[in-house]
Amino acid sequence: AQTVTQSQPEMSVQEAETVTLSCTYDTSESDYYLFWYKQPPSRQMILVIRQEAYKQQNATENRFSVNFQKAAKSFSLKISDSQLGDAAMYFCASRGSGNTPLVFGKGTRLSVIA
Amino acid sequence: NAGVTQTPKFQVLKTGQSMTLQCAQDMNHEYMSWYRQDPGMGLRLIHYSVGAGITDQGEVPNGYNVSRSTTEDFPLRLLSAAPSQTSVYFCASSPKPPGGTGGQPQHFGDGTRLSIL
Repeated sequence: AQTVTQSQPEMSVQEAETVTLSCTYDTSESDYYLFWYKQPPSRQMILVIRQEAYKQQNATENRFSVNFQKAAKSFSLKISDSQLGDAAMYFCASRGSGNTPLVFGKGTRLSVIA
Repeated sequence: NAGVTQTPKFQVLKTGQSMTLQCAQDMNHEYMSWYRQDPGMGLRLIHYSVGAGITDQGEVPNGYNVSRSTTEDFPLRLLSAAPSQTSVYFCASSPKPPGGTGGQPQHFGDGTRLSIL
């Protein structure tokens, strides 16, 4: 079974600054995938970034990047040049290969201060 | 391009009533899932399906039934609603590409806010 832990219920960042959201996971699978989803007040679930465990290179999507530490089972999300529109709940999630479903952490609420 | 459509968006039920939450996707996705979202709990998996005719239980299946008679539809049934089932419910789907499924992100519906009195 997979588990995902987000130890920061809430975080805040000044506009234009950088913030890092933490995530740790546990899995017995050798082939798995990691995701960060954003949920703004509209309640939509929006994929921010994903990482294949077999890839050593950290994924990057514009201002969003991850620090994937496979041995430590850590998957943190870095948001650079934070914008007011980045304010949302952020969920870390993992999924194994085959038919395994997506497992979510409990989320981190990010506030962006103007 | 509808994606994943959930109906209704809001619903209020009385304890003991039955209800079906509808979920439909038009992307020919094999995999569909139902989650519930509660404050401080994140998204917890209720049931999921890896294809038409195949369903399986998630983390919190009690009190819910599902069926998957077609690829497009994956309804969630509450047979006898209880106040503990007050939550926001999300349906999600993802494709099944050749060689594996894990890397495919899930597409989510907009959610159904359900209140049980």
